[in-house]
Amino acid sequence: SQQGEEDPQALSIQEGENATMNCSYKTSINNLQWYRQNSGRGLVHLILIRSNEREKHSGRLRVTLDTSKKSSSLLITASRAADTASYFCATGNAGNMLTFGGGTRLMVKP
Amino acid sequence: GAVVSQHPSWVICKSGTSVKIECRSLDFQATTMFWYRQFPKQSLMLMATSNEGSKATYEQGVEKDKFLINHASLTLSTLTVTSAHPEDSSFYICSAAGRGLVDQPQHFGDGTRLSIL
Repeated sequence: SQQGEEDPQALSIQEGENATMNCSYKTSINNLQWYRQNSGRGLVHLILIRSNEREKHSGRLRVTLDTSKKSSSLLITASRAADTASYFCATGNAGNMLTFGGGTRLMVKP
Repeated sequence: GAVVSQHPSWVICKSGTSVKIECRSLDFQATTMFWYRQFPKQSLMLMATSNEGSKATYEQGVEKDKFLINHASLTLSTLTVTSAHPEDSSFYICSAAGRGLVDQPQHFGDGTRLSIL
């Protein structure tokens, strides 16, 4: 079963704007990961944030984690048309098993 | 970076056929491989976890006799959908994780789209 819920389910923005996606989960975690999936393809790992970390950056990506609220956010700055994809959060626990959220479908219009 | 190759990428076959999907880690040893199923516009649902040299652990509701998983080496796991029927049509994705599993991402194949006629 899915542990996480993502919000919004779908997001449409103009190129150059920022995109923010949120993820909530229910149980304790070792880490939280964000993945990207282009249509009909596998998942690409974007960023991993450990449970004792609060914020992490990678290029145009910024991830925050609030374990007290059991939530995380992914911010993509200065979005590009090529960022159009589905984005999934996944919580990692013992044995590195992942439980995925429902995903956010992002469309960036040129 | 770590590369996982999944093959075939697309299969169309008749009802009753058994279909084998391969998942290979190309540049690292995958002690654990995961098999997921994904329906259109939905998230990934874990089907089973396989560790090299041991039996796979199936998630609740997944028929182990229907979905046979073999992880015979540190670089190869296979999923065989036996006697496939139209309801088995889906997108199947594998992922792999290497040694030292704590706080490491999984590396995903590109998926296999299975269509049963």
